[in-house]
Amino acid sequence: KQEVTQIPAALSVPEGENLVLNCSFTDSAIYNLQWFRQDPGKGLTSLLLIQSSQREQTSGRLNASLDKSSGRSTLYIAASQPGDSATYLCASYGSGNTGKLIFGQGTTLQVKP
Amino acid sequence: DVKVTQSSRYLVKRTGEKVFLECVQDMDHENMFWYRQDPGLGLRLIYFSYDVKMKEKGDIPEGYSVSREKKERFSLILESASTNQTSMYLCASGHSLGYTFGSGTRLTVV
Repeated sequence: KQEVTQIPAALSVPEGENLVLNCSFTDSAIYNLQWFRQDPGKGLTSLLLIQSSQREQTSGRLNASLDKSSGRSTLYIAASQPGDSATYLCASYGSGNTGKLIFGQGTTLQVKP
Repeated sequence: DVKVTQSSRYLVKRTGEKVFLECVQDMDHENMFWYRQDPGLGLRLIYFSYDVKMKEKGDIPEGYSVSREKKERFSLILESASTNQTSMYLCASGHSLGYTFGSGTRLTVV
């Protein structure tokens, strides 16, 4: 059974810092991995999707990488801003392309001005 | 852009009531999911559906049922609401190229 873990659970950084959020998964036979952002009391907003054949995806200040062999994905945020404060969740598709999203517990990020 | 609409942002229901949470997507997606989210427990899958009239249990289906009569609509039903079903409920729609979530329904059972 696929398990997804995110470390750390919480992170506080000063504005302007570059940071990395980690996501690990136990079953390397994933189809895709998707990163989401969630603001308090709101739904999830998709940030980046990495297909299993890809190594990384970029959108603005965000870069996500995927290493299936080591069971890891990272989300890199450059030049962090207070508006980046939110909870970040990674989700893998269940093995065998079942289309079932399995989530980590999330990393809650606070960027201080 | 894909739009996933959850019918209610906030709901307050009484214990024992039958509760319907509705989710509608506008992109003809086959896959739709219902999750609940609780502090410290993360997102837990309740039910999912791969097509009309098809449904599969997730990790915590007890006390819930679902209905998918049309492709665009996936309903979550709390047969007899209980206080331990107070939670944030999130609907998702998509396929292997990505999923979109609704804004969530904050349900309080009193």
